Amino acid sequence: AQRVTQPEKLLSVFKGAPVELKCNYSYSGSPELFWYVQYSRQRLQLLLRHISRESIKGFTADLNKGETSFHLKKPFAQEEDSAMYYCALSGPGLESNFGNEKLTFGTGTRLTIIP
Amino acid sequence: EPEVTQTPSHQVTQMGQEVILRCVPISNHLYFYWYRQILGQKVEFLVSFYNNEISEKSEIFDDQFSVERPDGSNFTLKIRSTKLEDSAMYFCASNTGGVAGELFFGEGSRLTVL
Repeated sequence: AQRVTQPEKLLSVFKGAPVELKCNYSYSGSPELFWYVQYSRQRLQLLLRHISRESIKGFTADLNKGETSFHLKKPFAQEEDSAMYYCALSGPGLESNFGNEKLTFGTGTRLTIIP
Repeated sequence: EPEVTQTPSHQVTQMGQEVILRCVPISNHLYFYWYRQILGQKVEFLVSFYNNEISEKSEIFDDQFSVERPDGSNFTLKIRSTKLEDSAMYFCASNTGGVAGELFFGEGSRLTVL
């Protein structure tokens, strides 16, 4: 069965310092991985997807299949980065259900940026 | 920008009572979901719904749970006879199915079972 592990429940980082939020997964097939973010009093929203290889709000995440990791990184933390971050894995869904998103989430990491 | 809306934001109920949680997905979305998060635990998939029927459900989604799209805009989750362990935040989500992994979530409905 697939699993997503985020080992840090809480992470505090000074403004301007680098940030790394850890995510490890177990999955038998080819994983699709995502980071979701929930800012204070806002809804859960997609931050980035590994297949897009994009940088969003200065964050990047690289899928490392050898280490089964998908860590989220940002070189210089900003105060507005304070939020709850969830790593998520897609699948396995039924092959007939293209577009159906059954996500498996980690427990989340609360990131606090210290001014 | 269109958003998924959920009502009520918080509901308190007695054990054994029926509860209906309501959601209005984004209008051009085709797939609808319910997830839940017990306090301090993971966000967990409950059920997905497409073309007026359940696409997939988790082992959590037993006979006490049902979903319905009664009028083409609302998407409801019914818990027939609530248990203490049903206390959680319930999130509705929707998507077009066109972008892998992108779900649009509502703000959640907190259910407290006494």
